[in-house]
Amino acid sequence: DAKTTQPPSMDCAEGRAANLPCNHSTISGNEYVYWYRQIHSQGPQYIIHGLKNNETNEMASLIITEDRKSSTLILPHATLRDTAVYYCIVRVGVANQGGKLIFGQGTELSVKP
Amino acid sequence: GAVVSQHPSWVICKSGTSVKIECRSLDFQATTMFWYRQFPKQSLMLMATSNEGSKATYEQGVEKDKFLINHASLTLSTLTVTSAHPEDSSFYICSPQLPAGEQFFGPGTRLTVL
Repeated sequence: DAKTTQPPSMDCAEGRAANLPCNHSTISGNEYVYWYRQIHSQGPQYIIHGLKNNETNEMASLIITEDRKSSTLILPHATLRDTAVYYCIVRVGVANQGGKLIFGQGTELSVKP
Repeated sequence: GAVVSQHPSWVICKSGTSVKIECRSLDFQATTMFWYRQFPKQSLMLMATSNEGSKATYEQGVEKDKFLINHASLTLSTLTVTSAHPEDSSFYICSPQLPAGEQFFGPGTRLTVL
């Protein structure tokens, strides 16, 4: 699986958009970009995933560059409860192709009042 | 989202004893189960992958005789830490996966070995 690079930490003001970048320059054509987050002492929570098109759900938006070498997770209106470690992971999408979620160090997002 | 439970949520045991952690997918069937562990201030580390009815595949550096994984049904997997030592103290997280690739995570079990 391709490796990802994320900034170790970011701050965001409450109510503002949080834009979390991720570089995955060696991503393969069949690898998806997944985002999870982990609030302290809990299991990771799925946020969103995409292959090449931009995606949006009730939690966030995922913007993937045209060359797929980087992406940005956008939390449109960050709240204090969004304070967590955010992980960007690339993985083959289908289980029977042996895809595993391999976690990097992630970005520790602190939302401040 | 899917509901995954782990039991116990935390456990304290004496060095040399064995501890069993259960992971259940409550509203779906998981053909594949992943087990992770997480040390303080570190990221999740994949320990092993198991498919229902098959032997688990362990990641490099993870002792298969120490971390016994049983995936006897599509809704239950267990991880047994045998002869636990203080260095095994960690946060253990199960992660069931659907055939289509969706992967969910349990709430984790915090193990403290005295």
